[in-house]
Amino acid sequence: DTAVSQTPKYLVTQMGNDKSIKCEQNLGHDTMYWYKQDSKKFLKIMFSYNNKELIINETVPNRFSPKSPDKAHLNLHINSLELGDSAVYFCASSRAGTSTDTQYFGPGTRLTVL
Amino acid sequence: GNSVTQMEGPVTLSEEAFLTINCTYTATGYPSLFWYVQYPGEGLQLLLKATKADDKGSNKGFEATYRKETTSFHLEKGSVQVSDSAVYFCALDSSGSARQLTFGSGTQLTVLP
Repeated sequence: DTAVSQTPKYLVTQMGNDKSIKCEQNLGHDTMYWYKQDSKKFLKIMFSYNNKELIINETVPNRFSPKSPDKAHLNLHINSLELGDSAVYFCASSRAGTSTDTQYFGPGTRLTVL
Repeated sequence: GNSVTQMEGPVTLSEEAFLTINCTYTATGYPSLFWYVQYPGEGLQLLLKATKADDKGSNKGFEATYRKETTSFHLEKGSVQVSDSAVYFCALDSSGSARQLTFGSGTQLTVLP
């Protein structure tokens, strides 16, 4: 059983388009996250949601909008895609609570903007 | 703010060699420390973690000890295998309500047969 799943795995699109990436977790976790991994493998938090409420919103262009319809899902919508948005996007989840909780990552979505 | 400094790669070793990947951190409070591994084409998997000073995390022959006095969490393995080839990330989790992982830059390890 897949714990954290993301769709699609690969996404190739033109500049200016709008696209969404979906994430679902079946672990019963309260907190979900989006991370961006650039071409040099550097990982940075983008958003964090706890029980459908936004907790962290790092310095991310407002073209990126997360949406959490329920606590098992956290989707990422991106408007007016730019070349610099090309990266691998990882969804993750953890139980809410202390900093000792492990975050479980999805397989990633490789976004390529042409 | 929080930060993690990780040994730069890439690191290339022969099978059965000893591995050390250095990691030091800067954080307020008492963070938890993690090592994650990313195999080619896959997402991140937790390798091991330590939640307080002097704790030792271990898994699959890898070990790391939480050293508060040197703010370090170095990853070690006594005898690496080809299957250990991957990117290794050191990370810390800040305490408090706004939890998030702060990652190091990652270290690419290649083990040759």
